[in-house]
Amino acid sequence: EDQVTQSPEALRLQEGESSSLNCSYTVSGLRGLFWYRQDPGKGPEFLFTLYSAGEEKEKERLKATLTKKESFLHITAPKPEDSATYLCAVQNRDDKIIFGKGTRLHILP
Amino acid sequence: EAGVVQSPRYKIIEKKQPVAFWCNPISGHNTLYWYRQNLGQGPELLIRYENEEAVDDSQLPKDRFSAERLKGVDSTLKIQPAELGDSAVYLCASSLEGSSTGNTEAFFGQGTRLTVV
Repeated sequence: EDQVTQSPEALRLQEGESSSLNCSYTVSGLRGLFWYRQDPGKGPEFLFTLYSAGEEKEKERLKATLTKKESFLHITAPKPEDSATYLCAVQNRDDKIIFGKGTRLHILP
Repeated sequence: EAGVVQSPRYKIIEKKQPVAFWCNPISGHNTLYWYRQNLGQGPELLIRYENEEAVDDSQLPKDRFSAERLKGVDSTLKIQPAELGDSAVYLCASSLEGSSTGNTEAFFGQGTRLTVV
């Protein structure tokens, strides 16, 4: 069964304290792995798509990486406005998209 | 470019009443998804359309939920009758499948927060 597990469930960091969020997955034929940001009361906002192991993508303070079993979302020198829930999702060979439960990130000023 | 539009944003109904949600996807996106998101959880797929065809409705509780996507554009999701456990945020998303770029990411609307009392 296709599955996405995110860790930690919640993370509190001081402003400027870099860290990484983990997304472990098992999937039948990975077509893509997605990272989304979700603010309270809003729909998920698309961040990145990764298609193959070894691929990396960056956007401002965020960098996403992918291996055959997991993906990391690295956050460098975060700011309070980076506080949100970060969701990981995979798309399988049948084009089904499966989400993890997310990591709630809180950056303290 | 307008994003995915959903209405209403909020809905409060009594149990056993019917309710309907509406979604207008991004122009040109042929794939449309309905997800349900419970508090503290990730979105769970209810149904996926490719144009007018429902290609994956395996997670849709068909005894009380129904959906349609007429003309392959707008979509409605209906619950009849609603139960207390249906309280959640219902998200609509769309994507452009089969594009030459290979991009398949889905873009989400703001969601409809349903409260069943």
